[in-house]
Amino acid sequence: EAGVTQFPSHSVIEKGQTVTLRCDPISGHDNLYWYRRVMGKEIKFLLHFVKESKQDESGMPNNRFLAERTGGTYSTLKVQPAELEDSGVYFCASSQDRERASTDTQYFGPGTRLTVL
Amino acid sequence: TQLLEQSPQFLSIQEGENLTVYCNSSSVFSSLQWYRQEPGEGPVLLVTVVTGGEVKKLKRLTFQFGDARKDSSLHITAAQPGDTGLYLCAGGAFAGNNRKLIWGLGTSLAVNP
Repeated sequence: EAGVTQFPSHSVIEKGQTVTLRCDPISGHDNLYWYRRVMGKEIKFLLHFVKESKQDESGMPNNRFLAERTGGTYSTLKVQPAELEDSGVYFCASSQDRERASTDTQYFGPGTRLTVL
Repeated sequence: TQLLEQSPQFLSIQEGENLTVYCNSSSVFSSLQWYRQEPGEGPVLLVTVVTGGEVKKLKRLTFQFGDARKDSSLHITAAQPGDTGLYLCAGGAFAGNNRKLIWGLGTSLAVNP
């Protein structure tokens, strides 16, 4: 079974440019999550999709970030325009269980390392 | 704001030694998860503890959830070089259908042969 995949693995852009990150969850997983780790800080939750709906987007930093999950399969996270503080590693995760959150395992992708110059 | 304080941040020990990593919070969590992350990869779940006072063992690793579900520890017995890596704790902040994980900063463990 294929795991969570993310593309690209690395992205280097200049301040003010736009970048789109993609996440393909494990097939059949309704839950999809985005997290971010800024250097020197802990991993932080960004948002959670259930199928194509945003269940919780309380961690999205500001309106420069737009996440979509059309059709409830893959997801994209667009940053427009990118700022220096957006640099970090963006992780995507997916999970299957819709009923019991406490034992629902989140499987993580390898992350996209974003560098904004 | 819920926070998880993880300590120590760095640990370098000799093969065969024991070690303990701690995660502490003033908040109650629905569950506490421990992950291990290798360079260039995402975190991989080791264990989930759900009940206050729960203890789980995974070979030489022992995980404990505090009685009040505010803290947790990871104890490794007779560490081996293969245990080297980044260990992360994450608390489940689950309310309704929300499944946010609150993360500690991580413990970078180096086990020297």
